[in-house]
Amino acid sequence: GAGVSQSPSNKVTEKGKDVELRCDPISGHTALYWYRQSLGQGLEFLIYFQGNSAPDKSGLPSDRFSAERTGGSVSTLTIQRTQQEDSAVYLCASTPEVSLNTEAFFGQGTRLTVV
Amino acid sequence: AQSVTQLGSHVSVSEGALVLLRCNYSSSVPPYLFWYVQYPNQGLQLLLKYTTGATLVKGINGFEAEFKKSETSFHLTKPSAHMSDAAEYFCAVSDVVSGTYKYIFGTGTRLKVLA
Repeated sequence: GAGVSQSPSNKVTEKGKDVELRCDPISGHTALYWYRQSLGQGLEFLIYFQGNSAPDKSGLPSDRFSAERTGGSVSTLTIQRTQQEDSAVYLCASTPEVSLNTEAFFGQGTRLTVV
Repeated sequence: AQSVTQLGSHVSVSEGALVLLRCNYSSSVPPYLFWYVQYPNQGLQLLLKYTTGATLVKGINGFEAEFKKSETSFHLTKPSAHMSDAAEYFCAVSDVVSGTYKYIFGTGTRLKVLA
């Protein structure tokens, strides 16, 4: 695949359940981001992975949110004990290098609905 | 930290009319600026970016944007709107925040094209 791949594309879950969202970045891209897009709002930064460095978790909204990136490639965003306010589109992006003038390449997102 | 303001959460234009989507940024140093487009149920796709050099940047699908340092603006334009341009548009700036390379997004402008 040439692009960033996210799965599932849609997820409906009951309040209180845990969910896992997967991101497969473009091969060779060193940096990986997770963003959250809520209705009527912009993109909210969640977490950033760069190579083998410790991730920047400063955007995670609560300790119910966690993410990991295995082998410098695939990343999983986990939300525990989901709440209705977690309903949003979760977007993953990757970049080939760490540079201010490099654009991010986005996946199609996972639409999470908590009922 | 830098911020991005997009004036007008919704913009409507007639097919064939000029498209103007506004973006202002806050930065004390030369910024790196991006415009992304998001079609329904898809991720973000890069339209164009400004890094250095020519202040008028041409992108895909006939869009262009002009970097105006004196106005701290990076407005997106297209001379003649097509129905297929209906989408949400995001302006973004890249920045280093606490050692992390981040993309800071505006809240988006939803463009509607009227037949």
